[in-house]
Amino acid sequence: QVQLQQWGAGLLKPSETLSLTCEVSGGSFIGYYWTWVRQPPGKGLEWIGEILRSGGTNYNPSLKSRVTMSVDTSSNKFSLRLTSVTAADTAVYYCARGQVDIVTEYFQYWGQGTLVTVSS
Amino acid sequence: QSVLTQPPSVSGAPGQRVTISCTGSSSNIGAGYDGHWYQQLPGAAPRLLIYGNNNRPSGVSDRFSGSQSGASTSLAITGLQAEDEAVYYCQSYDSALSGSVFGGGTKLSVL
Repeated sequence: QVQLQQWGAGLLKPSETLSLTCEVSGGSFIGYYWTWVRQPPGKGLEWIGEILRSGGTNYNPSLKSRVTMSVDTSSNKFSLRLTSVTAADTAVYYCARGQVDIVTEYFQYWGQGTLVTVSS
Repeated sequence: QSVLTQPPSVSGAPGQRVTISCTGSSSNIGAGYDGHWYQQLPGAAPRLLIYGNNNRPSGVSDRFSGSQSGASTSLAITGLQAEDEAVYYCQSYDSALSGSVFGGGTKLSVL
């Protein structure tokens, strides 16, 4: 059974850098889009971006200037960094496994979520 | 404002059938990109219900089904149960964004 386990700092001050890691177990690391999605409190889901095993990335244009994703294929982990955070970045952050159905990606496996709060 | 538009809420009595719509545009569902549906219970991660418009992952009840027409995709839930109370999200690909997009979510209340 595929499992995604994520962790990272839950409380940040404005201007600091958010850093989260997600470890994948129980399945292949090849051929999938390793994705980050966030959800502000009481609001909907927002796609942040994705990274392939090869290291290729695709980011949401609204966050692209502040986002960096990386992958460690030796340990089946991938990570998210978001710089210069503000209160607007307060959200539950999820990692997820993206797979393509013909042409469109969907997310069957998700991490448990990490609440990141940005507050001075 | 979300790229995909969903009604904020729907409701139904136990045993009834409800549908949740998700309207996109010519850069996503209207362009032929598939719609997918997720269920999110309070405090939990989203759970995939439907992918590729009308395919269910193993373990998902056949009370859930999907359909697509034009720039819209829909989720139907038959035989409503109290456990179906949740927020439901649609998702697709948007060529203008070059990435995935979600609807704003629909809260289903079972009366």
